[in-house]
Amino acid sequence: AQSVTQLGSHVSVSEGALVLLRCNYSSSVPPYLFWYVQYPNQGLQLLLKYTSAATLVKGINGFEAEFKKSETSFHLTKPSAHMSDAAEYFCAVSDGGNEKLTFGTGTRLTIIP
Amino acid sequence: ETGVTQSPTHLIKTRGQQVTLRCSSQSGHNTVSWYQQALGQGPQFIFQYYREEENGRGNFPPRFSGLQFPNYSSELNVNALELDDSALYLCASSNGQGAYNEQFFGPGTRLTVL
Repeated sequence: AQSVTQLGSHVSVSEGALVLLRCNYSSSVPPYLFWYVQYPNQGLQLLLKYTSAATLVKGINGFEAEFKKSETSFHLTKPSAHMSDAAEYFCAVSDGGNEKLTFGTGTRLTIIP
Repeated sequence: ETGVTQSPTHLIKTRGQQVTLRCSSQSGHNTVSWYQQALGQGPQFIFQYYREEENGRGNFPPRFSGLQFPNYSSELNVNALELDDSALYLCASSNGQGAYNEQFFGPGTRLTVL
C-alpha cells in the first residue's frame, strides 16, 4: 500500500523567509505525488503534482517541489513566505489506476510578521 | 465553468440518524470521489464513482454508501450515524481515469453528530 509521511505538524516561518514542508512517500510502484493547500473552512486546492515528467515541479503561488527517488521525498519549498501562505498543506500519493488519493496528516504553516 | 459544489454546507444530526450529502461535479467531469476529513487529520478516501459505477472503496463500513447520477452528480449516504462520523466530507471530481488526473475539490460539508 502507498503512504506519505509529513514531518512536522506545525511549521512557523517569518515573512520573507524560506518555506520548507517535508513529505516522504512509500510506494512499490512509481508514484504520482501531489501537494494540496487548504485554507480555513475551504476545500483543497492543488498546488502542484509530480507525474514523472520532471523531478523539479513548479506550482502555483511560487511553490515548487523536488522528487528525489533515492530519498523517497517530495518536499515543498517557497523561497520567500508571504502572509497569505498561512494554511494547511497536505502531501498525497495517488493509487495508480483509479485516482484514489492517500493523504498525509498535514502541516499547518504559520507566517510570523 | 462551474466548479465542484456541495450541499449542505453544515448540518447537525443525532446518533443513529441517516444523512445524505450531495455533490455536483465540475462540468465535463465523469468521476467523483468522496473523502472524510476528521478534525486535525488528512482526508481519507471513502469511495469513487466513475460513470455511475462504484470504482474503488476505502476502509469504510457498508453504512457508507453512494450514488452517481447520469449527469455525474453524486450523493453520499451514511446510515446509523455514530459520533465518530463527525467530520468534513469532501467531494472531488475529475475528467477520467488515471492516477495523475487532477481532482477538483468542493468546499465540503461539515457534519456534526451529537
